Amino acid sequence: DIVLTQAPLSVSVTPGESASISCRSSKSLLSSKGITSLYWYLQRPGKSPQLLIYQMSNLASGVPDRFSSSGSETDFTLKISKVETEDVGVYYCGHRLEYPLTFGSGTKLEIK
Amino acid sequence: EVQLVESGGGLVKPGSSLKLSCVASGFTFSSYGMHWIRQAPKKGLEWIALIYYDSSNKYYADSVKGRFTISRDNSKNTLYLEMNSLRSEDTAMYYCAKNSNQGVDYWGQGVMVTVSS
Repeated sequence: DIVLTQAPLSVSVTPGESASISCRSSKSLLSSKGITSLYWYLQRPGKSPQLLIYQMSNLASGVPDRFSSSGSETDFTLKISKVETEDVGVYYCGHRLEYPLTFGSGTKLEIK
Repeated sequence: EVQLVESGGGLVKPGSSLKLSCVASGFTFSSYGMHWIRQAPKKGLEWIALIYYDSSNKYYADSVKGRFTISRDNSKNTLYLEMNSLRSEDTAMYYCAKNSNQGVDYWGQGVMVTVSS
């Protein structure tokens, strides 16, 4: 199974500042079709997860452009610019390259 | 608006069975694969099963293979998860989720399953 390792475990950010979350994969997530199968999700407190980023760098519908993502075949970074209070929650990376799908262990974002 | 509404959860004893349902609306259910993903209390996300749009293929996590069965009824826009031989470690919030070219793009609100004697 593909192991996704996220860092840090938690991050505390002042509103208006930026935050970065790292996700490292145990295997290349570049598919034979040339798609990088890396996704980012946000789970707000008490809510179900929502898709933020698909195929490594594409914003899901309705997601503000304060969110961006980049990376290589195995190392990825989610960046949140100008953090707002509504960004609080746990961020998960996940892949869909093969079965089983797996997720990182999550990074909790808090507001200072 | 895409909506996924799970039901059928509850408190059950170890070794018993339970069947979860997920009613979909706001999209053409019969055109999309569907997932079940669970989250144990205070833990991360664990994918457990996928079914193709036409039920032609099904995939399971090793942790549930042979005990859980994913199915769907496209005429009722409904996804199911039949769970047998339940264990305490199956205690979790269970989410149904829609698959698309953009990944797992919509999640339901979840249904809680507690396995305890």
